[in-house]
Amino acid sequence: EDQVTQSPEALRLQEGESSSLNCSYTVSGLRGLFWYRQDPGKGPEFLFTLYSAGEEKEKERLKATLTKKESFLHITAPKPEDSATYLCAVPVLILTGGGNKLTFGTGTQLKVEL
Amino acid sequence: EPEVTQTPSHQVTQMGQEVILRCVPISNHLYFYWYRQILGQKVEFLVSFYNNEISEKSEIFDDQFSVERPDGSNFTLKIRSTKLEDSAMYFCASSRGLGYQETQYFGPGTRLLVL
Repeated sequence: EDQVTQSPEALRLQEGESSSLNCSYTVSGLRGLFWYRQDPGKGPEFLFTLYSAGEEKEKERLKATLTKKESFLHITAPKPEDSATYLCAVPVLILTGGGNKLTFGTGTQLKVEL
Repeated sequence: EPEVTQTPSHQVTQMGQEVILRCVPISNHLYFYWYRQILGQKVEFLVSFYNNEISEKSEIFDDQFSVERPDGSNFTLKIRSTKLEDSAMYFCASSRGLGYQETQYFGPGTRLLVL
């Protein structure tokens, strides 16, 4: 069964203090990975899809990287508005009918303070 | 930008009552999903729906749950006889196509509280 583990569970940063969040996974064959942002009481908001090991994607202060065993979400010079829970998820293809179902990690709760 | 919408945002119900949660997926998407998140826990897959039928469901999705696409725009989740443990955030999601790399876009969720 696919397992997704995120660390740390919680992270407190000062504004401008860069750091990285980790997502490690055990899956039967790497087939991509998704990063989402979730604000309290809201639905997951799509950030990135990474398709293959070595791939990197960037959006503003966020950069996601992928290896064969884990993914990192690097946050450079964070601002208070980056405070949220960051979720990673791996897809499992649905053989009958298509689409895929996502297996999520428990997330990293990021708090960025002034 | 197109987005997934859900109603109601909050629902309080008594144990044993039926609830229907509603979703309007993104208009050109073909695959629809329900997930739930119990407070403080992971987002969990419940069911996927394509071409007017369930394509996969999890162990959580027992006989008390059903899904329907009653018209060309709405996608509903019905819980026939709610239990206390059904209290959670329920998220609808949709994707354009099949394949591992197809992004699922999530709605804002319905917070269900069963008393």
